[in-house]
Amino acid sequence: GQQVMQIPQYQHVQEGEDFTTYCNSSTTLSNIQWYKQRPGGHPVFLIQLVKSGEVKKQKRLTFQFGEAKKNSSLHITATQTTDVGTYFCAGDSSNTGKLIFGQGTTLQVKP
Amino acid sequence: DAGVTQSPTHLIKTRGQQVTLRCSPKSGHDTVSWYQQALGQGPQFIFQYYEEEERQRGNFPDRFSGHQFPNYSSELNVNALLLGDSALYLCASSLVPGGLYEQYFGPGTRLTVT
Repeated sequence: GQQVMQIPQYQHVQEGEDFTTYCNSSTTLSNIQWYKQRPGGHPVFLIQLVKSGEVKKQKRLTFQFGEAKKNSSLHITATQTTDVGTYFCAGDSSNTGKLIFGQGTTLQVKP
Repeated sequence: DAGVTQSPTHLIKTRGQQVTLRCSPKSGHDTVSWYQQALGQGPQFIFQYYEEEERQRGNFPDRFSGHQFPNYSSELNVNALLLGDSALYLCASSLVPGGLYEQYFGPGTRLTVT
């Protein structure tokens, strides 16, 4: 079945450093979504990418969708302590809302 | 505008028992999906309900069943509980079943099976 792999599993950074998490799908995706989950919380939607090669920015966050629509990345510039949490990518291969989540990347930021 | 609500918040059950979890979608949403999130893992898709029918299903046994009511709220039922069913169960709602709409997650129900 479809699999979504995410690396790294954990990342510890000093406040102000950059952070990147990578997501790879075993199948071509119709769209990919990114979610953030704070400790003890639930996933919160960040963004959706639909087009091949798409790049979207949200303040210090930059999201990319690969040309083959099988990989994606999230880059955070100049991390802040408020960025702490687990970032998940979730792929939808059939445009039905059935999301396959990666294992997540847990970000720790040292002040 | 109420978001997605789930009940109960926490639940402790014994192996072999049955459990029912409930979800009310965000106002205006008609599609509900259920996910299981084990500790330290990403959410795993269980199934999706739209127009009171199961539309999509993940790789979960028949012990997992659901229902959607005319007001769009939903229930997740798990029979013959196993220790491995201990997890956070998340409900997510969206405007329509299509993948081009973001999913709003509820706070989840933490199920512990002893």
